[in-house]
Amino acid sequence: GEDVEQSLFLSVREGDSSVINCTYTDSSSTYLYWYKQEPGAGLQLLTYIFSNMDMKQDQRLTVLLNKKDKHLSLRIADTQTGDSAIYFCAEIGASGGSYIPTFGRGTSLIVHP
Amino acid sequence: DAGVIQSPRHEVTEMGQEVTLRCKPISGHNSLFWYRQTMMRGLELLIYFNNNVPIDDSGMPEDRFSAKMPNASFSTLKIQPSEPRDSAVYFCASLPARERGNTIYFGEGSWLTVV
Repeated sequence: GEDVEQSLFLSVREGDSSVINCTYTDSSSTYLYWYKQEPGAGLQLLTYIFSNMDMKQDQRLTVLLNKKDKHLSLRIADTQTGDSAIYFCAEIGASGGSYIPTFGRGTSLIVHP
Repeated sequence: DAGVIQSPRHEVTEMGQEVTLRCKPISGHNSLFWYRQTMMRGLELLIYFNNNVPIDDSGMPEDRFSAKMPNASFSTLKIQPSEPRDSAVYFCASLPARERGNTIYFGEGSWLTVV
């Protein structure tokens, strides 16, 4: 089946930029997502990018997509302690009868003063 | 819209007891997913419904687990009998039809502890 890989942990200092990386295998991916999970809560959509785009910016968040390498990244500028959470990369494909998103294991972002 | 609604939010039960988790998807969404999240295994897809019909239940761990979707606005995940290793967070999520949208929305989860 399709696979989404991401590193498990990232530690950054408050005020620095964070970059969370993700790779995927589904060449038919149509949409790619970043979800945020705070402690004790569900997954909330942060942002998504359509596969024909290279970049999407939304305030402190920048998503970069390299479709050739099947690589997605999420950059958080001026990282704050409130950004500490688990970040999930996900993709959904366009081909076939099923329309099932595939999630990575999640990257735990730890922001320290 | 109220979003995906799950109940109970927290449940502590004794080994051997039956557990029923409930989910109300977002109105108009025609796909519903049950996920389990643990530290060891991350987020696992248990079962997926499309238009109330189970499409893929290959992630259901054992016969002790069963899921139903009697109508478009309600689904249950049942564990009978429950075991301590079933302790996890169980998420329900819903997704609109492909032509209507592309974002999966999650409930807040049901936090299950089996002692």
